[in-house]
Amino acid sequence: TQLLEQSPQFLSIQEGENLTVYCNSSSVFSSLQWYRQEPGEGPVLLVTVVTGGEVKKLKRLTFQFGDARKDSSLHITAAQTGDTGLYLCAGRRGKTGTASKLTFGTGTRLQVTL
Amino acid sequence: GAVVSQHPSRVICKSGTSVKIECRSLDFQATTMFWYRQFPKQSLMLMATSNEGSKATYEQGVEKDKFLINHASLTLSTLTVTSAHPEDSSFYICSASTPGQSEKLFFGSGTQLSVL
Repeated sequence: TQLLEQSPQFLSIQEGENLTVYCNSSSVFSSLQWYRQEPGEGPVLLVTVVTGGEVKKLKRLTFQFGDARKDSSLHITAAQTGDTGLYLCAGRRGKTGTASKLTFGTGTRLQVTL
Repeated sequence: GAVVSQHPSRVICKSGTSVKIECRSLDFQATTMFWYRQFPKQSLMLMATSNEGSKATYEQGVEKDKFLINHASLTLSTLTVTSAHPEDSSFYICSASTPGQSEKLFFGSGTQLSVL
């Protein structure tokens, strides 16, 4: 059973468009992270959100953690071809400060074309 | 930032042989390392949690005798796929958490295993 469902599974857009990726769960997470992974490589951490309702911005990327800490969204403004990749959300259910394991979402594959 | 090195990046082996994958934390001590498996175009599935000096904790459905994990030092964990079969072909990724920064996981670059 996948605890974290991402939508959409696949998204193909043109450069300059905006998009939002959703990460939903029925479980509460102490923190949630977003990663981007390129083919043949390991995931690279983009952001960690901890507080319900928290919003973090990373250049053109805006991340939000739901008030109930069960869901999150990633919004990309004016997408670029370099944004192409697999986006993964990952939730941690243990206490903050412990090396508890991450549960990864189902993934969203983004393709940005010229 | 912290660096995790995974080796080899790609391995092809014959069915029935064993393959060892190494995961090293290069500039920090990792008391806990995690091993994941990823099928094409799918997400990462946690296989096991590797704790230095103790037995690994395996996720449900993962055969511990099939996927041997050793974490003998604070900088090295190994995953050995024993008697590999074609269905074991997959992308294997390790990650390590840094003491005091355990909200961050640093990932290796992955190992693509192909069993013929």
